[in-house]
Amino acid sequence: DAKTTQPPSMDCAEGRAANLPCNHSTISGNEYVYWYRQIHSQGPQYIIHGLKNNETNEMASLIITEDRKSSTLILPHATLRDTAVYYCIVRPHSGGGADGLTFGKGTHLIIQP
Amino acid sequence: GAVVSQHPSWVICKSGTSVKIECRSLDFQATTMFWYRQFPKQSLMLMATSNEGSKATYEQGVEKDKFLINHASLTLSTLTVTSAHPEDSSFYICSALLAGEQYFGPGTRLTVT
Repeated sequence: DAKTTQPPSMDCAEGRAANLPCNHSTISGNEYVYWYRQIHSQGPQYIIHGLKNNETNEMASLIITEDRKSSTLILPHATLRDTAVYYCIVRPHSGGGADGLTFGKGTHLIIQP
Repeated sequence: GAVVSQHPSWVICKSGTSVKIECRSLDFQATTMFWYRQFPKQSLMLMATSNEGSKATYEQGVEKDKFLINHASLTLSTLTVTSAHPEDSSFYICSALLAGEQYFGPGTRLTVT
């Protein structure tokens, strides 16, 4: 998997939008950007993924730059339950996704009341 | 859908004993499952890939004779930590592969005294 770079920690006020950046300058053309999060002492939870278009689901939005070298995960209205470590991972999708994931250090997002 | 369970959720064992951790896909069949390990304040590290009906593939540095993996059915993979030592104390997380996506279990906290 291509390497990603994320800030180690971020704070965000409850109710505000949390914007988590990720750099993936060596991403290959067939690799997707995936985001997972891990709440303390739990297994990782899938959030969203995308290839080159912006994506939105019930949890978050994913903005990928045109050159695909970076992306931003947006939690539109952060709550205290969103406090977690957020991992940005690039990997092939579907048929090429039968390999284990390589987790970086992620960003520890702390939502402040 | 795509729920993965682990049992037990936590276990304490004495040094020198063996402990078995189960990973089950509850509502789908998984030919491939993965085992990860996470030490305190660190990220998840892939230990091995478990394939139903065949031998597991271990990552470099993971002792296959110490961490025995059995994937005897399409819904169950087990990880047995043999002759456990305090340095094996960790958070063990499994995931199951479905349509190219990994779904994670809640993790098992192992403490070796």
